[in-house]
Amino acid sequence: DAGVIQSPRHEVTEMGQEVTLRCKPISGHNSLFWYRQTMMRGLELLIYFNNNVPIDDSGMPEDRFSAKMPNASFSTLKIQPSEPRDSAVYFCASSLNGGAVDTQYFGPGTRLTVL
Amino acid sequence: QKEVEQNSGPLSVPEGAIASLNCTYSDRGSQSFFWYRQYSGKSPELIMSIYSNGDKEDGRFTAQLNKASQYVSLLIRDSQPSDSATYLCAVNLNFGNEKLTFGTGTRLTIIP
Repeated sequence: DAGVIQSPRHEVTEMGQEVTLRCKPISGHNSLFWYRQTMMRGLELLIYFNNNVPIDDSGMPEDRFSAKMPNASFSTLKIQPSEPRDSAVYFCASSLNGGAVDTQYFGPGTRLTVL
Repeated sequence: QKEVEQNSGPLSVPEGAIASLNCTYSDRGSQSFFWYRQYSGKSPELIMSIYSNGDKEDGRFTAQLNKASQYVSLLIRDSQPSDSATYLCAVNLNFGNEKLTFGTGTRLTIIP
């Protein structure tokens, strides 16, 4: 069975441009998580969805960030406009039942560089 | 105080020895604790989970939890070069909520 799929794997863009990151969770998983990882701040949860509904977006840094999950098999994280400080690796993860003890399976990540 | 704290390392351990990784957390109500391994340039993968006080063993790995001291650790016995990675401690700080809070990780190097 395929794991979590993310695209693109690498993205280089210029400051001010719109960036869209995509994620396909593991089939049958009910929860989806977006994380950002930097050397300085480590791995931070940005937002998570359960059954396509956003549950907690308290980690979204500011209004420039938005996330959607239009159906059970697809989610996007959009940054508009992008800034150099947004440069990081963005991970998507999914879990089966959405409980506190569920294993989260991570995708390969998107390495974003904003020039 | 950070919610989940780990020594960033690097921690160097000779091959065959025991590697000991530590993590403390701030919320006494925390119920679920996880250790993830992350190789350089790769994504985190779960290696151990623990929910009750005491030890939990899985192969060469042992997770230890002490809720009174708000402390969780990971022991790796018979360390191998393939164990060289960053180890992330993750805590579910609010029971019933799926949100995980991660420590910044400890970089472990096994010296052949």
